[in-house]
Amino acid sequence: SYELTQPPSVSVSPGQTANIPCSGDKLSFKYTCWYQQKPGQSPVLAIYQDNKRPSGIPERFSGSNSGNTATLTISGTQAVDEADYYCQAWDSNTAVFGAGTKLTVL
Amino acid sequence: QEQLVESGGGLVKPGGSLRLSCAASGFIFSDYYMIWIRQAPGKGLECVSFISSSGTTIYYADSVKGRFTISRDSATNSLYLQMNSLRAEDTAVYYCAREEVAAFHYGMDVWGQGTTVTVSS
Repeated sequence: SYELTQPPSVSVSPGQTANIPCSGDKLSFKYTCWYQQKPGQSPVLAIYQDNKRPSGIPERFSGSNSGNTATLTISGTQAVDEADYYCQAWDSNTAVFGAGTKLTVL
Repeated sequence: QEQLVESGGGLVKPGGSLRLSCAASGFIFSDYYMIWIRQAPGKGLECVSFISSSGTTIYYADSVKGRFTISRDSATNSLYLQMNSLRAEDTAVYYCAREEVAAFHYGMDVWGQGTTVTVSS
């Protein structure tokens, strides 16, 4: 079965750029989504089709996908961005999620 | 306002059954894939099951195949998950979500608040 791999944690200082990678075999051949989940809340779609932002998502959120790695980039990270982030892709008619990355803003 | 509201969770003994419901409002229900995703305590997200907009394509994770049944009712804009032979490892918050799927997938852009299922004796 297809797997997506994310680092368990990423730390960033306020105002700096956070990069969260997600790796999978030939991932660039698939569209990747990113979801943000804060404690006690439902996930929120942050990026879809690799690099598109839904309405309401701040411009500081962006995405890319090349080779075997998709990356969520948060520019000018704010304290409010501290959350768990999950990548997701469809493979063989299955929605596959990465294990999630905890972003700490300190 | 586009909204999904889950219900039906609770405490059940191993081997028991539950039926989860997800009420959709504010959008054309029949235009969307509907997906059940669960999150065990302190763990990540797992796609349990989905049903296509037409109902002709259905998927189950291996962990629930043969025990769970997904269905949708366009007359009442509702999604269901019948869960039988429940196990302790099914304990989780269960979310329903929608996704527009045309030539491509557009991401799960609306999620419910979740309903908690606890399987314990």
